[in-house]
Amino acid sequence: QSVLTQPPSVSGAPGQRVTISCTGSSSNIGAGYDVHWYQHLPGTAPKLLIFGNTNRPSGVPDRFSGSKSGTSASLAITGLQAEDEGDYYCQSFDTSLGGSRVFGSGTKVTVL
Amino acid sequence: QVQLVESGGGVVQPGRSLRLSCAASGFTFSAYGMHWVRQAPGKGLEWVAYVWFDESQKYYTDSVKGRFTISRDNSKNTLYLQMNSLRAEDAGVYYCARAMTYYLDYWGQGTLVTVSS
Repeated sequence: QSVLTQPPSVSGAPGQRVTISCTGSSSNIGAGYDVHWYQHLPGTAPKLLIFGNTNRPSGVPDRFSGSKSGTSASLAITGLQAEDEGDYYCQSFDTSLGGSRVFGSGTKVTVL
Repeated sequence: QVQLVESGGGVVQPGRSLRLSCAASGFTFSAYGMHWVRQAPGKGLEWVAYVWFDESQKYYTDSVKGRFTISRDNSKNTLYLQMNSLRAEDAGVYYCARAMTYYLDYWGQGTLVTVSS
């Protein structure tokens, strides 16, 4: 059972906007720790998509954006493309778990 | 460019041991902390262990404490995960990843561990 809760799946047509939520608690996101997002496409290594709640590493399209508020965070994908189909994970830091990193439960994005 | 290449996975019986390696290149390995993250079949990502750049601090998820040991050899640019007393629930793909402040910026392709009798 993941400390950070995400919806199991979201879907959208090409060109549409989808959002993925990540809900935590007062020991992680609510404690002020940043949220980071990873894209895991089939057969590939996970890739950092967003760090520090809203920042995109070099090379990540601006179609991907992140936000954080209170004990939750969100990842938005605008202009959905077929190549975006895969799994997405949020990640933060949790003080109740001996200083460990924690991942969300993961969300499968399907492009209809 | 940053490259992380895991190796050492395979089929192992429950209760036995396995050592995973992660060869790093394209950056100053000795300046970065490193993580191991795993993904069980059909499941999500699970953080496993983290070691500081100088090996002075190590952290583990509760389910592997006392059984797994993370270590590194900065002279060889290599990260290790010694896994003892393996259980069926330890099976999955194991990834090494470079640590930044509270996040993981580069990941390897992973190595598969199968625990089966």
